[in-house]
Amino acid sequence: ETGVTQSPTHLIKTRGQQVTLRCSSQSGHNTVSWYQQALGQGPQFIFQYYREEENGRGNFPPRFSGLQFPNYSSELNVNALELDDSALYLCASSLGDYRLQETQYFGPGTRLLVL
Amino acid sequence: QKEVEQNSGPLSVPEGAIASLNCTYSDRGSQSFFWYRQYSGKSPELIMSIYSNGDKEDGRFTAQLNKASQYVSLLIRDSQPSDSATYLCAVNVYSGGGADGLTFGKGTHLIIQP
Repeated sequence: ETGVTQSPTHLIKTRGQQVTLRCSSQSGHNTVSWYQQALGQGPQFIFQYYREEENGRGNFPPRFSGLQFPNYSSELNVNALELDDSALYLCASSLGDYRLQETQYFGPGTRLLVL
Repeated sequence: QKEVEQNSGPLSVPEGAIASLNCTYSDRGSQSFFWYRQYSGKSPELIMSIYSNGDKEDGRFTAQLNKASQYVSLLIRDSQPSDSATYLCAVNVYSGGGADGLTFGKGTHLIIQP
């Protein structure tokens, strides 16, 4: 167990809807990263937060947004859902600033299906 | 464009043998390297991290890093059926700008035959 939790475990939405996914990092872990993993692919980096500030973003459109809260919880919001957004969404927490290149510990993921 | 390449497999290894998993990466600025194991329908689980050239051993697992060749490998000794999973190679690059996250390969599907 990594101490990272995510909710919900599964979710079904229809195209055009909005969704919020939640993550609770290990206590004391100031960095949270979000990834999207399509079937048969490796995880793709969406963005990262350090102490409630976004400090890096992958190649994802602005309809993917996030928040990090002081209590080590975070959210991933996706607006205007598209069929290709169907994937496993993973959050990962790590202790310090990204420049330390520390290990990221993954939560169990949320599987999103867009119909 | 950062790329991490892995042979997708499946790689089939007899129980008790050594499984050898390989990964190459394109960005010479890569500084930290990770192997994750992912069972079907589950999330990635850390197996090993390695930061310096050479070998790093942890139980039945040995990670090997060669930055000159841009190559990282994972050896699993005394392979067990429970080692059957997809193994993801991940690379972290600090480019001096913002966080880039981990760049993952597509993973190698390993099957340990009893």
